[in-house]
Amino acid sequence: GAVVSQHPSWVICKSGTSVKIECRSLDFQATTMFWYRQFPKQSLMLMATSNEGSKATYEQGVEKDKFLINHASLTLSTLTVTSAHPEDSSFYICSATFEGATNTEAFFGQGTRLTVV
Amino acid sequence: GESVGLHLPTLSVQEGDNSIINCAYSNSASDYFIWYKQESGKGPQFIIDIRSNMDKRQGQRVTVLLNKTVKHLSLQIAATQPGDSAVYFCAPGPGGYNKLIFGAGTRLAVHP
Repeated sequence: GAVVSQHPSWVICKSGTSVKIECRSLDFQATTMFWYRQFPKQSLMLMATSNEGSKATYEQGVEKDKFLINHASLTLSTLTVTSAHPEDSSFYICSATFEGATNTEAFFGQGTRLTVV
Repeated sequence: GESVGLHLPTLSVQEGDNSIINCAYSNSASDYFIWYKQESGKGPQFIIDIRSNMDKRQGQRVTVLLNKTVKHLSLQIAATQPGDSAVYFCAPGPGGYNKLIFGAGTRLAVHP
């Protein structure tokens, strides 16, 4: 099956700094990638939808200037958490799909645990 | 907007028993429904899906039932094993590019 890889798996950063998380599709070209955030004991909340070569579409309540998403190539999307604060500590997960995929083919990365201290 | 809820936040079962995890949804226009399994510290893993024109679908040790009349679906796991311990999410598909809205999740704890 298709493989989606996230890097890093975990990161600890100081409050006020920025952190970049990468999401790569290893064996397919991902025309669309999704970014989710998951707080402890909660469900995955969709943050934004990222299409290659265009601006990301953010869900209501998600600050686009704080969570910068770049999908510059068909195999890579990045999420940058700018000026991170402790409340941004969460588990960030990406998923990817490709043009022509069936409706159920969304492939998830292994997630990135962000801790802001 | 879409809302998806689950009846039971946690479910404890004995190893070897059958497990039933329930999910209610609100969007009657959903074309398909997916169940995901998420182990601690990992991303969701696809288990099984069902199209809206089906009532039942079976996989290996899992069965999904869909009741569109009451907007409810369930995931049945036969002969539950310790490796089944995880959080299970249902996600109705609105159609197109796999934009998935996840339900609250049910934690399944399997005891020996």
